[in-house]
Amino acid sequence: NAGVTQTPKFRILKIGQSMTLQCTQDMNHNYMYWYRQDPGMGLKLIYYSVGAGITDKGEVPNGYNVSRSTTEDFPLRLELAAPSQTSVYFCASILASSYNEQFFGPGTRLTVL
Amino acid sequence: GQNIDQPTEMTATEGAIVQINCTYQTSGFNGLFWYQQHAGEAPTFLSYNVLDGLEEKGRFSSFLSRSKGYSYLLLKELQMKDSASYLCAVSGGYNKLIFGAGTRLAVHP
Repeated sequence: NAGVTQTPKFRILKIGQSMTLQCTQDMNHNYMYWYRQDPGMGLKLIYYSVGAGITDKGEVPNGYNVSRSTTEDFPLRLELAAPSQTSVYFCASILASSYNEQFFGPGTRLTVL
Repeated sequence: GQNIDQPTEMTATEGAIVQINCTYQTSGFNGLFWYQQHAGEAPTFLSYNVLDGLEEKGRFSSFLSRSKGYSYLLLKELQMKDSASYLCAVSGGYNKLIFGAGTRLAVHP
């Protein structure tokens, strides 16, 4: 199993540009999450999904959109990039029946200039 | 509101014991997690507590008191590789995690 994979690893965007951060898991996990981590801070939940076709907002959803058309994939879309979205983005997943740890992807480091 | 507090930084000596405290006030509680995060890397799971008491796993132990909204992570026989950030997180509905800001631990010889 590859676990949770994220692409790209790094990206620099100009203000106003858009992009999609990709997240894929091969563990057949039904719950998936997007977090962002600003320097020196903990992670904050952006969006989450409890299954294909079902998504909901987390703590900091403004400026982002998500979709979940398959169990495996949970892309995060930035429509109009702003400097405040400069951060490291982590995708995570878990099997709903398990009260154990979320499995995190390696992260995408995004800079908006 | 949701609030998780932990110290910003701690230092300790190689071979020593260190305790990292975490206090929380959250609207839901399905358990408390501790994660380790090295600079530039993803968080990795250390421990999970859902009932009061101590959970031991090798050099790491974690304690929970739900009535006090309090947890601690105990690291024994510190090694240089333990220098990292330690994140306290509370699990709520749909296993969503609310994280504290993290505690940066520096282990020196």
